[in-house]
Amino acid sequence: GAGVSQSPRYKVAKRGQDVALRCDPISGHVSLFWYQQALGQGPEFLTYFQNEAQLDKSGLPSDRFFAERPEGSVSTLKIQRTQQEDSAVYLCASSLEWARGYGYTFGSGTRLTVV
Amino acid sequence: DQQVKQNSPSLSVQEGRISILNCDYTNSMFDYFLWYKKYPAEGPTFLISISSIKDKNEDGRFTVFLNKSAKHLSLHIVPSQPGDSAVYFCAASARSGGSNYKLTFGKGTLLTVNP
Repeated sequence: GAGVSQSPRYKVAKRGQDVALRCDPISGHVSLFWYQQALGQGPEFLTYFQNEAQLDKSGLPSDRFFAERPEGSVSTLKIQRTQQEDSAVYLCASSLEWARGYGYTFGSGTRLTVV
Repeated sequence: DQQVKQNSPSLSVQEGRISILNCDYTNSMFDYFLWYKKYPAEGPTFLISISSIKDKNEDGRFTVFLNKSAKHLSLHIVPSQPGDSAVYFCAASARSGGSNYKLTFGKGTLLTVNP
Protein backbone atom coordinates (compact mmCIF):
# COMPACT_ATOMS: atom_id res chain seq x y z
CA GLY A 1 0.00 0.00 0.00
CA ALA A 2 0.86 3.65 -0.15
CA GLY A 3 1.50 4.00 3.54
CA VAL A 4 1.65 2.09 6.80
CA SER A 5 -1.84 0.97 7.71
CA GLN A 6 -2.91 0.19 11.26
CA SER A 7 -6.13 -1.30 12.51
CA PRO A 8 -8.25 -0.75 14.40
CA ARG A 9 -7.85 3.02 14.70
CA TYR A 10 -9.51 2.97 18.11
CA LYS A 11 -9.93 0.16 20.58
CA VAL A 12 -11.67 0.21 23.95
CA ALA A 13 -10.89 -2.79 26.11
CA LYS A 14 -12.10 -3.77 29.53
CA ARG A 15 -9.34 -4.34 32.03
CA GLY A 16 -8.19 -7.93 31.79
CA GLN A 17 -9.22 -8.35 28.17
CA ASP A 18 -6.74 -9.43 25.49
CA VAL A 19 -6.27 -7.20 22.43
CA ALA A 20 -4.55 -7.58 19.07
CA LEU A 21 -3.35 -4.61 17.06
CA ARG A 22 -2.51 -5.02 13.39
CA CYS A 23 0.09 -3.30 11.24
CA ASP A 24 0.37 -3.48 7.45
CA PRO A 25 3.74 -1.98 6.51
CA ILE A 26 4.59 -0.47 3.18
CA SER A 27 5.02 -3.27 0.67
CA GLY A 28 8.61 -4.48 0.49
CA HIS A 29 9.72 -2.76 3.68
CA VAL A 30 12.10 -5.03 5.51
CA SER A 31 12.23 -3.24 8.84
CA LEU A 32 9.22 -2.88 11.10
CA PHE A 33 8.99 -1.12 14.45
CA TRP A 34 6.39 -0.74 17.20
CA TYR A 35 6.31 2.29 19.47
CA GLN A 36 4.03 3.22 22.36
CA GLN A 37 2.99 6.83 22.87
CA ALA A 38 1.37 7.69 26.19
CA LEU A 39 -0.62 10.89 26.54
CA GLY A 40 1.65 13.93 26.55
CA GLN A 41 4.76 11.89 25.87
CA GLY A 42 6.89 11.12 22.87
CA PRO A 43 6.82 7.67 21.26
CA GLU A 44 8.79 4.98 23.08
CA PHE A 45 10.41 2.02 21.37
CA LEU A 46 8.83 -1.38 21.92
CA THR A 47 10.24 -3.82 19.38
CA TYR A 48 11.98 -4.23 16.01
CA PHE A 49 11.63 -6.80 13.22
CA GLN A 50 13.82 -7.39 10.24
CA ASN A 51 11.65 -9.45 7.90
CA GLU A 52 10.15 -12.14 10.14
CA ALA A 53 12.92 -12.05 12.72
CA GLN A 54 12.29 -10.13 15.91
CA LEU A 55 15.73 -8.67 16.52
CA ASP A 56 14.95 -6.51 19.51
CA LYS A 57 12.10 -6.72 22.01
CA SER A 58 13.85 -4.85 24.78
CA GLY A 59 11.18 -2.15 24.95
CA LEU A 60 8.22 -4.42 25.61
CA PRO A 61 7.01 -3.36 29.08
CA SER A 62 6.10 -6.81 30.37
CA ASP A 63 5.54 -10.39 29.32
CA ARG A 64 1.92 -9.47 28.66
CA PHE A 65 3.12 -7.83 25.44
CA PHE A 66 3.91 -10.00 22.46
CA ALA A 67 4.62 -9.12 18.84
CA GLU A 68 4.93 -11.25 15.75
CA ARG A 69 5.52 -10.92 12.03
CA PRO A 70 5.33 -14.51 10.83
CA GLU A 71 5.66 -13.95 7.07
CA GLY A 72 7.78 -10.84 7.14
CA SER A 73 4.99 -8.47 6.18
CA VAL A 74 1.95 -7.92 8.44
CA SER A 75 2.69 -7.62 12.14
CA THR A 76 0.47 -8.05 15.17
CA LEU A 77 1.06 -6.60 18.62
CA LYS A 78 -0.84 -8.55 21.24
CA ILE A 79 -1.46 -7.40 24.77
CA GLN A 80 -2.79 -9.93 27.24
CA ARG A 81 -4.79 -9.08 30.36
CA THR A 82 -4.80 -5.38 29.59
CA GLN A 83 -4.24 -2.90 32.42
CA GLN A 84 -5.16 0.77 32.61
CA GLU A 85 -1.51 1.77 32.20
CA ASP A 86 -1.55 0.13 28.76
CA SER A 87 -3.78 2.96 27.52
CA ALA A 88 -1.78 4.71 24.81
CA VAL A 89 -1.42 5.15 21.08
CA TYR A 90 0.47 2.25 19.53
CA LEU A 91 2.43 3.30 16.48
CA CYS A 92 3.83 1.01 13.84
CA ALA A 93 6.57 2.15 11.47
CA SER A 94 8.44 0.58 8.60
CA SER A 95 11.42 1.28 6.40
CA LEU A 96 12.88 -0.31 3.28
CA GLU A 97 16.03 -0.86 5.19
CA TRP A 98 17.23 1.04 8.19
CA ALA A 99 19.11 4.09 7.01
CA ARG A 100 19.78 6.44 9.83
CA GLY A 101 19.32 9.68 8.03
CA TYR A 102 15.90 8.92 6.64
CA GLY A 103 13.84 7.88 9.60
CA TYR A 104 10.93 5.54 9.33
CA THR A 105 7.39 5.93 7.96
CA PHE A 106 4.84 5.78 10.74
CA GLY A 107 1.24 4.69 10.55
CA SER A 108 -1.56 6.71 12.14
CA GLY A 109 -1.58 4.47 15.18
CA THR A 110 -4.14 2.57 17.22
CA ARG A 111 -5.50 4.42 20.24
CA LEU A 112 -6.07 1.86 22.99
CA THR A 113 -8.19 2.82 25.97
CA VAL A 114 -8.44 0.36 28.83
CA VAL A 115 -11.44 0.93 31.09
CA ASP B 1 15.47 9.92 33.20
CA GLN B 2 14.66 11.74 30.00
CA GLN B 3 17.54 11.59 27.55
CA VAL B 4 15.92 13.89 24.99
CA LYS B 5 14.26 17.00 26.31
CA GLN B 6 12.03 19.51 24.62
CA ASN B 7 11.48 22.05 27.34
CA SER B 8 8.91 24.17 25.55
CA PRO B 9 5.55 22.40 25.38
CA SER B 10 4.24 25.04 22.99
CA LEU B 11 5.32 27.89 20.73
CA SER B 12 3.25 30.46 18.90
CA VAL B 13 4.59 32.54 15.98
CA GLN B 14 3.23 34.84 13.34
CA GLU B 15 3.02 33.70 9.73
CA GLY B 16 6.12 34.69 7.81
CA ARG B 17 8.34 34.89 10.89
CA ILE B 18 10.94 32.39 12.05
CA SER B 19 10.01 29.44 14.27
CA ILE B 20 12.79 28.05 16.46
CA LEU B 21 12.21 24.73 18.17
CA ASN B 22 14.77 23.57 20.69
CA CYS B 23 15.93 20.19 21.90
CA ASP B 24 18.53 19.13 24.47
CA TYR B 25 19.98 15.70 25.04
CA THR B 26 21.99 14.08 27.80
CA ASN B 27 23.31 10.88 26.24
CA SER B 28 26.73 11.56 24.73
CA MET B 29 26.42 8.36 22.68
CA PHE B 30 23.71 9.90 20.50
CA ASP B 31 25.15 10.59 17.09
CA TYR B 32 22.12 11.01 14.82
CA PHE B 33 19.25 13.37 15.36
CA LEU B 34 15.92 13.59 13.60
CA TRP B 35 12.91 15.87 13.65
CA TYR B 36 9.41 14.56 13.13
CA LYS B 37 6.21 16.53 12.60
CA LYS B 38 2.85 15.24 13.77
CA TYR B 39 -0.65 16.40 12.90
CA PRO B 40 -3.61 15.34 15.10
CA ALA B 41 -4.81 11.78 14.48
CA GLU B 42 -1.85 11.06 12.20
CA GLY B 43 1.47 9.36 12.78
CA PRO B 44 4.70 11.34 13.00
CA THR B 45 6.22 12.30 9.64
CA PHE B 46 9.98 12.48 9.16
CA LEU B 47 11.13 16.03 8.47
CA ILE B 48 14.90 16.38 8.58
CA SER B 49 17.94 14.79 10.20
CA ILE B 50 21.51 15.59 11.09
CA SER B 51 24.55 13.50 11.81
CA SER B 52 26.87 14.45 14.64
CA ILE B 53 29.67 15.02 12.15
CA LYS B 54 27.81 18.08 10.91
CA ASP B 55 26.62 21.21 12.63
CA LYS B 56 23.98 22.24 10.14
CA ASN B 57 21.62 20.64 7.66
CA GLU B 58 19.21 22.54 5.47
CA ASP B 59 16.22 21.42 3.44
CA GLY B 60 14.11 24.18 1.96
CA ARG B 61 12.50 26.21 4.74
CA PHE B 62 13.83 23.84 7.40
CA THR B 63 17.31 24.01 8.95
CA VAL B 64 18.59 21.97 11.84
CA PHE B 65 21.57 23.18 13.88
CA LEU B 66 23.59 20.94 16.15
CA ASN B 67 25.82 22.15 18.99
CA LYS B 68 27.54 19.02 20.27
CA SER B 69 29.44 20.70 23.08
CA ALA B 70 26.17 22.02 24.49
CA LYS B 71 24.25 18.85 23.59
CA HIS B 72 21.68 21.05 21.96
CA LEU B 73 19.92 21.14 18.63
CA SER B 74 17.37 23.42 17.13
CA LEU B 75 15.00 23.39 14.18
CA HIS B 76 14.47 26.65 12.33
CA ILE B 77 11.50 27.14 10.04
CA VAL B 78 11.69 30.20 7.80
CA PRO B 79 9.26 31.55 6.80
CA SER B 80 6.65 29.91 9.00
CA GLN B 81 3.33 29.03 7.40
CA PRO B 82 -0.03 28.14 8.98
CA GLY B 83 0.32 24.61 7.58
CA ASP B 84 3.40 24.18 9.77
CA SER B 85 1.15 24.15 12.84
CA ALA B 86 1.73 20.71 14.36
CA VAL B 87 3.59 18.93 17.16
CA TYR B 88 7.32 18.65 16.47
CA PHE B 89 9.30 15.81 18.00
CA CYS B 90 13.04 15.69 18.37
CA ALA B 91 14.52 12.17 18.27
CA ALA B 92 17.99 10.70 18.63
CA SER B 93 19.77 7.44 18.04
CA ALA B 94 23.10 6.02 19.20
CA ARG B 95 25.46 4.09 16.95
CA SER B 96 26.88 1.97 19.70
CA GLY B 97 25.41 -1.23 21.05
CA GLY B 98 24.10 -2.39 17.67
CA SER B 99 20.73 -0.71 18.16
CA ASN B 100 21.07 2.42 16.10
CA TYR B 101 17.54 1.82 14.75
CA LYS B 102 16.11 2.66 18.16
CA LEU B 103 14.90 6.26 18.36
CA THR B 104 14.58 8.10 21.65
CA PHE B 105 11.99 10.87 21.39
CA GLY B 106 11.37 14.06 23.31
CA LYS B 107 7.88 14.97 24.50
CA GLY B 108 7.24 17.30 21.60
CA THR B 109 6.54 21.00 21.09
CA LEU B 110 3.21 22.21 19.75
CA LEU B 111 3.86 24.91 17.15
CA THR B 112 1.03 27.25 16.24
CA VAL B 113 1.53 29.58 13.30
CA ASN B 114 -0.99 32.39 13.30
CA PRO B 115 -2.14 33.91 9.98
